[in-house]
Formats: sequence, structure tokens, C-alpha cells
Amino acid sequence: KAGVTQTPRYLIKTRGQQVTLSCSPISGHRSVSWYQQTPGQGLQFLFEYFSETQRNKGNFPGRFSGRQFSNSRSEMNVSTLELGDSALYLCASSPRGTNYGYTFGSGTRLTVV
Amino acid sequence: SQELEQSPQSLIVQEGKNLTINCTSSKTLYGLYWYKQKYGEGLIFLMMLQKGGEEKSHEKITAKLDEKKQQSSLHITASQPSHAGIYLCGGAPAGAGSYQLTFGKGTKLSVIP
Repeated sequence: KAGVTQTPRYLIKTRGQQVTLSCSPISGHRSVSWYQQTPGQGLQFLFEYFSETQRNKGNFPGRFSGRQFSNSRSEMNVSTLELGDSALYLCASSPRGTNYGYTFGSGTRLTVV
Repeated sequence: SQELEQSPQSLIVQEGKNLTINCTSSKTLYGLYWYKQKYGEGLIFLMMLQKGGEEKSHEKITAKLDEKKQQSSLHITASQPSHAGIYLCGGAPAGAGSYQLTFGKGTKLSVIP
């Protein structure tokens, strides 16, 4: 059974650019969550999608957005990149949400220069 | 907002020794997750605890959730170098409509052969 797949693994972008990260959940999982991990702030929740609907959003600026497709694959987009957006972005999938357990992907390491 | 405090922040133990990592929530939890992370990689699921007083074990790792569902401990028996990494506790707050996990800052474990 394939795990959660995140692409790309590494990304280097310039300030002001935008970036799109992709997450393919485990087959049958309908909930996809995104987290940002930095040395200073640790793991912080970005947003969660279930059946193409955003159910919850963390405390991040509007430059961070996401969406989920009908096949449960999800993308997150960051526009007008800032140096502080450099982080490991992790995606987690679950059959339905919190009480069903979350499986994390390997993450996308974004570096903004 | 909910916070999770982990202690200690770091731990260095001799191979073969036992150790305990603690996680305390400021609010009652719906569920508590333990994950392990190797530097720069994704989170590996260890255990999920949902009932007050629950205890689960996997190989040499045991996790407990207190009756009030606000404190959890992770105990490793006879540690091995393969146990080294960052241990993270993640909590889902009690109450309807929560589809996110709040994480502690992590405990960095080093095991000296």
C-alpha cells in the first residue's frame, strides 16, 4: 500500500515568486492536512481538506492557499514568497480526520533565497 | 488556544537505558498522537491514544494517556541507537469540528552506543 507522496522533495525559489506543492494521499483517504515545520516555530497547522472542502484553517496569511481535487490529491500554493517561508512542508492524510489517525509524507523542503 | 508542552527538550542516554518523554496539554484532548522524526524527514506514526487511562505498547515503546486526557508519557525500554530521533506529541482538542493537530516542540533523543 503506497504511502503519502509529496512532490517535489526539494525546491529553491526566489523571493517574490510563487510555488505549488503537491500531495497524493493514501488510497481511500479523503482528508488531507498541511503543516509547516521550522526550527523556531515547530510544526504548525496550515489547513485541512475533506472531500474538496476546506474544514479548518490555521493562522497563516492569505498568501498560503490550498485545494483538494476529486481524487483527494491536494495542492498548496504560496504566493509572493518571503525568506521566512523557508521550511519543511508536510502533508498528512487520514481516512476521515482526527479520530482515524494521520499518516505523514516525507515533506517538501522549500528554500527561499 | 491549545498548547502542548514536551519535556525534556533533549535527552542523551547510554544504549540499554530506559527513558521517558512527557507531553502536557493545556486543554483536554480528544486524542493524543506520538510520532518520531528523523532530521528533515517526515513523521513516522508511533501510537494514537484516545481513551483516558489508555496504554499502548509497540516493541520497546509504551505510551500512556492519563485519566483527564491532558498528559501523556512515552517510555522506551532498553534504548537502542535506532531509537534516536525527534519525538513529537500531537494533540487534537476535545470538541466538535476540530480537524487539526497541535504539536509540541519535540524531544531530541540521542542514544550513545
